[in-house]
Amino acid sequence: EILLTQSPAALSVSPGERATLSCRASQTVISHLAWYQQKPGQAPRLLIYAASTRATGIPARFSGSGSGTEFTLTISNLQSEDFAVYYCQQYSDWPPITFGQGTRLEMK
Amino acid sequence: EVQLVQSGAEVKKPGATVKISCKVSGITFTDYYIHWVQQAPGKGLEWMGLVDPEDGETKYAEKFQGRVTITADTSTDTSYMELSSLRSTNTAVYYCATSKEQLEIFDYWGQGSLVTVSS
Repeated sequence: EILLTQSPAALSVSPGERATLSCRASQTVISHLAWYQQKPGQAPRLLIYAASTRATGIPARFSGSGSGTEFTLTISNLQSEDFAVYYCQQYSDWPPITFGQGTRLEMK
Repeated sequence: EVQLVQSGAEVKKPGATVKISCKVSGITFTDYYIHWVQQAPGKGLEWMGLVDPEDGETKYAEKFQGRVTITADTSTDTSYMELSSLRSTNTAVYYCATSKEQLEIFDYWGQGSLVTVSS
């Protein structure tokens, strides 16, 4: 089973600034990594897949990078609606499909 | 518009079985896998398994193997997730979600169904 470790667990950033979230895999997932955003009481929303491809309708301020075992989600010019929990997910070697434990992005 | 509409909240006693439905519209049901994901209160996401509605093939996470059954009814475009031998640790929101074959990313999600296990 591929373990995904996200860091930090929580991140406090001011609106308008940039947030950088990390996801490390226990073994290579090539580029088979996705990112999701989840707000309280809502289902997750797909942001990024194939490590760096934005899903339909996702603003350009969201960008993903990385390959192998190290991945980054960058959110530029943070908006109030971006404060949420973010999860990474691998689909390289499954079952099981696995998720990271999440990073909570909080407003400073 | 793609919609995944799940059944409502359930309260079950330990040892019981729960069955949740997920009705899909706006897409061709047999073109997508239907996955089920568990989220305990205040916790992260855990993949439980999937069904391929085209042929009924299923894959399950080892953690849930033997207690979970995921099915798909192509006559009603509805998937079902049944979880047996419920315990308090199964108190969670359960989501259904879709993915294309060969691209296991979850592009559409249901609204979630809360299952509470309590004596």
